[in-house]
Amino acid sequence: DTEVTQTPKHLVMGMTNKKSLKCEQHMGHRAMYWYKQKAKKPPELMFVYSYEKLSINESVPSRFSPECPNSSLLNLHLHALQPEDSALYLCASSLGLAEGEQFFGPGTRLTVL
Amino acid sequence: AQSVTQLDSQVPVFEEAPVELRCNYSSSVSVYLFWYVQYPNQGLQLLLKYLSGSTLVKGINGFEAEFNKSQTSFHLRKPSVHISDTAEYFCAVSAVQAGTALIFGKGTTLSVSS
Repeated sequence: DTEVTQTPKHLVMGMTNKKSLKCEQHMGHRAMYWYKQKAKKPPELMFVYSYEKLSINESVPSRFSPECPNSSLLNLHLHALQPEDSALYLCASSLGLAEGEQFFGPGTRLTVL
Repeated sequence: AQSVTQLDSQVPVFEEAPVELRCNYSSSVSVYLFWYVQYPNQGLQLLLKYLSGSTLVKGINGFEAEFNKSQTSFHLRKPSVHISDTAEYFCAVSAVQAGTALIFGKGTTLSVSS
């Protein structure tokens, strides 16, 4: 299995809702990432987990809360989002944090109303 | 710190023509280099990578890239493009052994028409 899966594919939520994005990989990778991507822009790094510990937090607002329950799973909990948070959220994984090649999931298209 | 510059934001080309997408990087340490492709409404797919060794790297879908250390470039080439190559292409760099994540360029939109 050489893929990263993400659910849901699409999500529409109101500003008062709480929702979660899920990411899974079974490649034995020990580093996992969350990116945010706006249209026609490159992905922007949000969080990095290495060996299930938060390694990098790129000053992301607290309305985004990551969680890594085990080495195969990565969640992103969403609460009180703003319309400007609407974007494609991409998950990626790599063998280790120093291993540059990342494998990306298909993304979750989030719309905040 | 590392940075990546993709010199062309849009590249229009006719089917079966050759194409080159240009990428320059800046870094004070050794780097790994990557090209990713993103088709509409999809995630990123790795086209090819340079980690070490031969400076000419061959990837998927007939693409290749050449690492030029003196010119700090990693240009992507394909001798004959297809309509299906229409997509967004991102060049990315990461520092060797720094334990840091990828730094992406701003992307190049390749539009192939018949």
